[in-house]
Amino acid sequence: AQTVTQSQPEMSVQEAETVTLSCTYDTSESDYYLFWYKQPPSRQMILVIRQEAYKQQNATENRFSVNFQKAAKSFSLKISDSQLGDAAMYFCAYRSGVWAGTALIFGKGTTLSVSS
Amino acid sequence: EAQVTQNPRYLITVTGKKLTVTCSQNMNHEYMSWYRQDPGLGLRQIYYSMNVEVTDKGDVPEGYKVSRKEKRNFPLILESPSPNQTSLYFCASSLTSSANEQFFGPGTRLTVL
Repeated sequence: AQTVTQSQPEMSVQEAETVTLSCTYDTSESDYYLFWYKQPPSRQMILVIRQEAYKQQNATENRFSVNFQKAAKSFSLKISDSQLGDAAMYFCAYRSGVWAGTALIFGKGTTLSVSS
Repeated sequence: EAQVTQNPRYLITVTGKKLTVTCSQNMNHEYMSWYRQDPGLGLRQIYYSMNVEVTDKGDVPEGYKVSRKEKRNFPLILESPSPNQTSLYFCASSLTSSANEQFFGPGTRLTVL
């Protein structure tokens, strides 16, 4: 069974600084997708970034980028120029590409606080 | 506006009193799913549906039922709620492919006394 591990329950960063959230996963599949979701205090789940396992190039969305290390099964999220609005819980998630019915498998989350 | 809606957003109930949490999406998505979120556990899938009349169990289905009579609706039914079902519930939908983003509803905070 696939598992997702986020080893940092809490992280903090100052405004305008850069922070990296860690995520590792375990799978025997070669076809899969990785996601980072943000959950602000409103509790809404918001997709931050997505990475296809078959792509070597790391995904980037504005201030958010990932470091995808397929061999190491690592998928970290880098937030550059942190803003107060980035404060939230962040979830790393895995979804098998083998069968469309599979669930998103989530890590336990990292709470990010941003100070001014 | 493309969205997933859930009702109610908050519910306090008592043990054994049947309840239904509704979920509706307006994006013509085939795939719909229910998750529960508990502190320290992340989100775990309860049930999912690949299309109308096609449903299956996720990782934590005990105590829950679902139905998919229409493509847009996917209600979650708790026939006899218990305190261990106190949780934050999310409905999500997507196109069938695993590559596609799952769109989440706003969540339903359920407390069972």
